[in-house]
Amino acid sequence: SQTIHQWPATLVQPVGSPLSLECTVEGTSNPNLYWYRQAAGRGLQLLFYSIGIDQISSEVPQNLSASRPQDRQFILSSKKLLLSDSGFYLCAWNVKRVGWPNYGYTFGSGTRLTVV
Amino acid sequence: AQTVTQSQPEMSVQEAETVTLSCTYDTSESNYYLFWYKQPPSRQMILVIRQEAYKQQNATENRFSVNFQKAAKSFSLKISDSQLGDTAMYFCAFIKGPGGSEKLVFGKGTKLTVNP
Repeated sequence: SQTIHQWPATLVQPVGSPLSLECTVEGTSNPNLYWYRQAAGRGLQLLFYSIGIDQISSEVPQNLSASRPQDRQFILSSKKLLLSDSGFYLCAWNVKRVGWPNYGYTFGSGTRLTVV
Repeated sequence: AQTVTQSQPEMSVQEAETVTLSCTYDTSESNYYLFWYKQPPSRQMILVIRQEAYKQQNATENRFSVNFQKAAKSFSLKISDSQLGDTAMYFCAFIKGPGGSEKLVFGKGTKLTVNP
């Protein structure tokens, strides 16, 4: 069966420090991968999505970047964190298979990032 | 572009009663899928129910059912026999097409509290 792992679960980082959040999917190949951010009490904002290795699209201009060095690995990074980067970050994946039923996304358990 | 609107930011219900969460969407597509996701205090995103637009029959999953009105572009979620564990944020979501690399579009969510 497919599983998605996301870590760390919680992170407290000082302003100006770097960031690396990792997400991996098991049990499937060539998935679509997504990074979402959820600010406190708000909805989900799509940050990045990837349809393949080194194929990343950014939805919102920001202080963050994403990379996909391997088929089932998706990394969210920042060189210098801002206070506004605080939030809850969710990784998700779905099957890239046109013509099949669409089962939506499967989400990781999330990372709570606090920038201090 | 597709949009999803949840007009009820917060709702509450007594345990064992029934509650209906509203969702409307805007699209020119004829083939799409709709979803309800639940996000409990743990913040894990959990798929509750999905509906295929080409199916007239409303989806049902145990105590959860939907009222899908395609012409009105309405997709409400009914929770019967509410339980304390149903306390969560509920997100309505839309994705076009049968599959592939389309993006999931979320509403802003409804915070549901089930009172004992």
